[in-house]
Amino acid sequence: AQSVSQHNHHVILSEAASLELGCNYSYGGTVNLFWYVQYPGQHLQLLLKYFSGDPLVKGIKGFEAEFIKSKFSFNLRKPSVQWSDTAEYFCAVNAQAAGNKLTFGGGTRVLVKP
Amino acid sequence: DGGITQSPKYLFRKEGQNVTLSCEQNLNHDAMYWYRQDPGQGLRLIYYSQIVNDFQKGDIAEGYSVSREKKESFPLTVTSAQKNPTAFYLCASNFRLAGGYNEQFFGPGTRLTVL
Repeated sequence: AQSVSQHNHHVILSEAASLELGCNYSYGGTVNLFWYVQYPGQHLQLLLKYFSGDPLVKGIKGFEAEFIKSKFSFNLRKPSVQWSDTAEYFCAVNAQAAGNKLTFGGGTRVLVKP
Repeated sequence: DGGITQSPKYLFRKEGQNVTLSCEQNLNHDAMYWYRQDPGQGLRLIYYSQIVNDFQKGDIAEGYSVSREKKESFPLTVTSAQKNPTAFYLCASNFRLAGGYNEQFFGPGTRLTVL
């Protein structure tokens, strides 16, 4: 079955550390890629998205992600995290062949210690 | 304020009872979606609707039903046939784009607990 995989379920790190969250998908063809974040008690919100063009995309709050087509990956990075980055992060894929639907990865809970 | 509202925020029901979760949007979005969120499983699509009076099953539709009588409303009924209904339910919406895709926007969610 086609799927979206996030490698880490839980990540714990200290402030100022660098963060990288992995995301791989198994869809062929054209894809649109997203990272969403869910802060404690808040709505799910979009961090960044890739539709086409430069495979290195920058999002809000200093996050960026790189689309590597050959590796079917869309990893999320932040060079220096803050306590306020504590949240759950979800990778999501819209495969053009699937129409107007999103498939989500299982999520990664990130805890940043002050 | 434009956005997606879901009510109630918390809902408790006895086993065997049907329950309806509300989702309303004033963004003039064409499409609306219902997801279920469980720890470690991300969000899984229950039902979606791309236009009024039409909807399709998602990946886990069994035990759920929906209606789309108005563009701004997409209520979800969790029936007694749903074997494990306790979960966090999220509603989303977006514009339809011919030949393309638009990002989805999400509501605040309803946490359903079946006792």
